[in-house]
Amino acid sequence: QQQVKQSPQSLIVQKGGIPIINCAYENTAFDYFPWYQQFPGKGPALLIAIRPDVSEKKEGRFTISFNKSAKQFSLHIMDSQPGDSATYFCAANNQGGSEKLVFGKGTKLTVNP
Amino acid sequence: EAQVTQNPRYLITVTGKKLTVTCSQNMNHEYMSWYRQDPGLGLRQIYYSMNVEVTDKGDVPEGYKVSRKEKRNFPLILESPSPNQTSLYFCASSLFPSRDGNYGYTFGSGTRLTVV
Repeated sequence: QQQVKQSPQSLIVQKGGIPIINCAYENTAFDYFPWYQQFPGKGPALLIAIRPDVSEKKEGRFTISFNKSAKQFSLHIMDSQPGDSATYFCAANNQGGSEKLVFGKGTKLTVNP
Repeated sequence: EAQVTQNPRYLITVTGKKLTVTCSQNMNHEYMSWYRQDPGLGLRQIYYSMNVEVTDKGDVPEGYKVSRKEKRNFPLILESPSPNQTSLYFCASSLFPSRDGNYGYTFGSGTRLTVV
């Protein structure tokens, strides 16, 4: 079964810290790796995504690092703020085939003031 | 505003009483999907649809039905709900096939279902 393994399950950092969330995948056909952010009471929302032709992508304080050979990718949040407290999901799919996104199990991030 | 609308937001029902959760999107997306979210298990796909009249099972389809008679609507039907279907449900949609760019699924706000 296609899987995306996400760690840690929960993470607590102080304001200004740099939380890092890691994901590993198995299917080498995956070619699209998005991250979703979910606040309590809301649906997940697309945060940032990367394709395997680049090793890093930055959008504001959020950075995805991608290691194709290791089949791993990670989300870094620079200068984290209490407003970043949310659950983060990594995902992956093969956009040349099915649209089905395979999700990690999520990481609950708490940023303390 | 581009969005996926789910109704109801909250629902408490009794075992065995048929219910339908509606999902509608206004983005002309071909692909729609239902997920359930449970603590520690993340998002698990129930059913998905590639286009009108095309539906297929996801990872946890037992006890659920769907239909796609119109492009914009994708209702989730529980014919005989049971307590193990108590969960938070999300509908999502996207273009298919995907284009280059930083878009992906658009999720609804969720339906919290309790079956007693």
